[in-house]
Amino acid sequence: DQQVKQNSPSLSVQEGRISILNCDYTNSMFDYFLWYKKYPAEGPTFLISISSIKDKNEDGRFTVFLNKSAKHLSLHIVPSQPGDSAVYFCAASAYVQFYFGTGTSLTVIP
Amino acid sequence: NAGVTQTPKFQVLKTGQSMTLQCAQDMNHEYMSWYRQDPGMGLRLIHYSVGAGITDQGEVPNGYNVSRSTTEDFPLRLLSAAPSQTSVYFCASSRLTGEAPLHFGNGTRLTVT
Repeated sequence: DQQVKQNSPSLSVQEGRISILNCDYTNSMFDYFLWYKKYPAEGPTFLISISSIKDKNEDGRFTVFLNKSAKHLSLHIVPSQPGDSAVYFCAASAYVQFYFGTGTSLTVIP
Repeated sequence: NAGVTQTPKFQVLKTGQSMTLQCAQDMNHEYMSWYRQDPGMGLRLIHYSVGAGITDQGEVPNGYNVSRSTTEDFPLRLLSAAPSQTSVYFCASSRLTGEAPLHFGNGTRLTVT
């Protein structure tokens, strides 16, 4: 049973606009949430994370929002750039086990 | 910094053959893990380790063995390869203290015919 879900397999956004990637989880024991970016033929690269005691974390163009009551996580990229085109995975952790979603392929159109 | 290094990058096996996927990290991370990535399935945890001499099963452990004799190395063994093990395998490591992200290697693409 998938504990972390990304229901949108793909997303296309114009350059300069906002990209919003969504993620839902089922396990209320998760206390640490992360987003990874993956280019073809490379390993996932850590992008940004958030602790369960926060509801927002920003790092430059990237902001992660956490809604614990809805068990929902989102990643906002503003402004989107062509180099942001990649597959994005959300992940959630309880102790040392990390669970990943199935990924969303983001295409930023110049 | 080398980070997490995986070898080989590509491998083709015949059904029933055995092989070991190598993983090494130079960040002195206590935690190491193996994932497989399949289309539409995301990254699924195979085995993990919280330190030398300690290993445990993840979501999809069947058909795989691991050992952790040193902090740096965490090899994944396929004793008798099956076509269902065709996948991309990623090794990852992290600190155990506090909230720490996983650092991934660049993967091994395995095909079992």
